[in-house]
Amino acid sequence: NAGVTQTPKFQVLKTGQSMTLQCAQDMNHEYMSWYRQDPGMGLRLIHYSVGAGITDQGEVPNGYNVSRSTTEDFPLRLLSAAPSQTSVYFCAAGANEQFFGPGTRLTVL
Amino acid sequence: AQTVTQSQPEMSVQEAETVTLSCTYDTSESDYYLFWYKQPPSRQMILVIRQEAYKQQNATENRFSVNFQKAAKSFSLKISDSQLGDAAMYFCAYRSGNNNDMRFGAGTRLTVKP
Repeated sequence: NAGVTQTPKFQVLKTGQSMTLQCAQDMNHEYMSWYRQDPGMGLRLIHYSVGAGITDQGEVPNGYNVSRSTTEDFPLRLLSAAPSQTSVYFCAAGANEQFFGPGTRLTVL
Repeated sequence: AQTVTQSQPEMSVQEAETVTLSCTYDTSESDYYLFWYKQPPSRQMILVIRQEAYKQQNATENRFSVNFQKAAKSFSLKISDSQLGDAAMYFCAYRSGNNNDMRFGAGTRLTVKP
């Protein structure tokens, strides 16, 4: 029982590149979410999903896309990376009790 | 939009003593949930305690308890008998019961002195 897993743990991109952050859970939670954490700030909600095929925007959705084709997987796509997207990204599963993945540290040069 | 404010960027406590971390929030909703999360240097986010807004009784989890003042929109965390392993960033969070929106405070860094 791995809980919530995220890959990669670290990533460096150049401005304009695209990439997908992977998130998977084996806890069978319908609700999944993506956050970013910047220095001096708490986590901010990017996108969330209440079940397969259903996604919605959070507080800071611009520059990110998500999809939810299965209950287990909830990838986050950066379409054209910008330095402002340098951050630590967390995926979580569950609603009233959220279980977080270990995070991905992303640097955009 | 809902906001969560943690007014103490840093706090310090002596081992075995008690410390209280403050959190206030702003909302017009009646259905919501409040949380305290702990983030140690490992970066892993760990749920400490949860409070449903409709419950009047303050939540308690072992050495951790909250003081939930709904009218004042205050949700403080009390850590009793502090241990070295309690040293971490602590985040207060609000989740809407209506639209799944989730907001975090900026965090309080807790140092535990031996």
